[in-house]
Amino acid sequence: TQLLEQSPQFLSIQEGENLTVYCNSSSVFSSLQWYRQEPGEGPVLLVTVVTGGEVKKLKRLTFQFGDARKDSSLHITAAQPGDTGLYLCAGLSGGSYIPTFGRGTSLIVHP
Amino acid sequence: NAGVMQNPRHLVRRRGQEARLRCSPMKGHSHVYWYRQLPEEGLKFMVYLQKENIIDESGMPKERFSAEFPKEGPSILRIQQVVRGDSAAYFCASSPQGIGETQYFGPGTRLLVL
Repeated sequence: TQLLEQSPQFLSIQEGENLTVYCNSSSVFSSLQWYRQEPGEGPVLLVTVVTGGEVKKLKRLTFQFGDARKDSSLHITAAQPGDTGLYLCAGLSGGSYIPTFGRGTSLIVHP
Repeated sequence: NAGVMQNPRHLVRRRGQEARLRCSPMKGHSHVYWYRQLPEEGLKFMVYLQKENIIDESGMPKERFSAEFPKEGPSILRIQQVVRGDSAAYFCASSPQGIGETQYFGPGTRLLVL
């Protein structure tokens, strides 16, 4: 069973702070996805990274896929209350159509 | 563009009753996936369906759970004789094709078994 460990599990910060959350595995993935899930809603895909070492930016969010394609990080610059939510990473192995999800990092940004 | 729709959004059942969860995929999507999310756990895959076919049900409990995606109408996840451990959020996702396609999630159905 492939496991994705996300850290930290919980994060509570003030508006304007920077933060990084991590997604780690001992397995290699062909691609890795990041989702944000708001309370009472379903996950919404933020980004997919497919190449080892790849960096993608989405406004204040920076996503990086590890060189060995076993880990990933999400960095948020100048966090805003609207960034509050559960951040999930999900890995896909070659030939599989079902992503393996981590448990998520629950982020609260206080105004 | 209507997204993936799920109903009901909240469902309360007593132990032993049946729960029926419905999912209407996005327009043009013919592939549906069901996931279960328990508190402090990640999303767990349950079943993958195409119209009138179950493609992969490896994540679904062998007893009491069933799923269908008929030619017409929504996909249905049915849980018979519910137990308290079935309380969870159940999410449906859809994709236009299958393998390698992005899955779009619905808002979920929160099932509470009393």
